[in-house]
Amino acid sequence: DIVMTQSPDSLAVSLGERATINCKSSQSVLYSSTNKNYLAWYQQKPGHPPKLLIYWASTRESGVPDRFSGSGSGTDFTLTISSLQAEDVAVYYCQQHYNTPRTFGQGTKVEIK
Amino acid sequence: EVQLVESGGGLVKPGGSLRLSCAASGFTFSSYSMNWVRQAPGKGLEWVSSITSSSSYIYYADSVKGRFTISRDNAKNSLYLQMNSLRAEDTAVYYCARDLLSTDIVGYAYWGQGTLVTVSS
Repeated sequence: DIVMTQSPDSLAVSLGERATINCKSSQSVLYSSTNKNYLAWYQQKPGHPPKLLIYWASTRESGVPDRFSGSGSGTDFTLTISSLQAEDVAVYYCQQHYNTPRTFGQGTKVEIK
Repeated sequence: EVQLVESGGGLVKPGGSLRLSCAASGFTFSSYSMNWVRQAPGKGLEWVSSITSSSSYIYYADSVKGRFTISRDNAKNSLYLQMNSLRAEDTAVYYCARDLLSTDIVGYAYWGQGTLVTVSS
């Protein structure tokens, strides 16, 4: 199984500042035949289901604000919120879609400092 | 508008069974893989099971293999999860989720609101 490890577990960022979340997979999630990384990022707010933010490691889902960006390849990935807004307070998860089981990271809680 | 509505959750004793359903609308159900994801109270997300559009391929997490069965009825636009031999650690909100694309597995773009399963004596 591919183990997904996020860091940090939580972070507090001032409004308007940058938030950076890391996700490391225990093996590469890059498909050589398509040159795409099968890594997705989700945002989950309390009492709500997760929301897909990013897929293929860096492709923003329709309607997602451009302050959210994803980067990385192979085994190391980053979700960046360029200017934190109050509505971004949530738990963020990465998930690999390279193979099954489609494992999630443990989550990173983002709060306002 | 894509809608996924789960039902069938509730309180069940250890060793008991439940069948979850997910009613889908607003898209061509038969074209998409479908999935179940669960979240224990206060915990993270756990992928449970996936089924391809024509039920040709089915996958399970090790934690539920042999106890849970995923199925779908494309004529009824419905997804199911039969859960047997339930354990306390199966207590969670169970979400039905649809892949973003019909042609590739890249992420779950649509989710239901979830149904709570509580396993307790």
